[in-house]
Amino acid sequence: NAGVTQTPKFQVLKTGQSMTLQCAQDMNHEYMSWYRQDPGMGLRLIHYSVGAGITDQGEVPNGYNVSRSTTEDFPLRLLSAAPSQTSVYFCASRKSGGKTGELFFGEGSRLTVL
Amino acid sequence: TQLLEQSPQFLSIQEGENLTVYCNSSSVFSSLQWYRQEPGEGPVLLVTVVTGGEVKKLKRLTFQFGDARKDSSLHITAAQTGDTGLYLCAGNTGTASKLTFGTGTRLQVTL
Repeated sequence: NAGVTQTPKFQVLKTGQSMTLQCAQDMNHEYMSWYRQDPGMGLRLIHYSVGAGITDQGEVPNGYNVSRSTTEDFPLRLLSAAPSQTSVYFCASRKSGGKTGELFFGEGSRLTVL
Repeated sequence: TQLLEQSPQFLSIQEGENLTVYCNSSSVFSSLQWYRQEPGEGPVLLVTVVTGGEVKKLKRLTFQFGDARKDSSLHITAAQTGDTGLYLCAGNTGTASKLTFGTGTRLQVTL
């Protein structure tokens, strides 16, 4: 059982380049989300989705786009990368409904923007 | 705005010692979770607390949710090197879709 799979694990971009971080889960979870993790700041929510075709903004959405065309996939797009987007990105999923569900995380994608 | 503040930020102790990590907020949470994260991996859920005053035990780990549901603590008894990691609290203030994470406590347990 793969759980939540993120690709790539490492990426280096130049300022202004675009890229997509991929996230796939095989647990049939309705809810998926993207977080970024920076030293001393914990995890901050970027975007989330409660089901296919439905997305919404989190705490730090600027500079990022998402879409949810299938239950399994939730890609995160950086249209014009900036050094401030250097971070470790985590995708997470859980069953929808209720407020106490466990979030299952991928292993993270480390992005460096030069 | 960081709703959840954790203390201490760093903690280095020897095996066998006890420790407590705190998670505080000015907001009321409907539920609160604790996760542990090891280097190169994503966070993994340890426990969920939902009732003010609730205490949960997981082997040597004791979790408490404050009576007013604004704070929580994690106590580890007789720490082991395997407890080393980043401990994160996370809470829901009402919208189930937005889980807010704390600033994290990095624990190092040495022999």
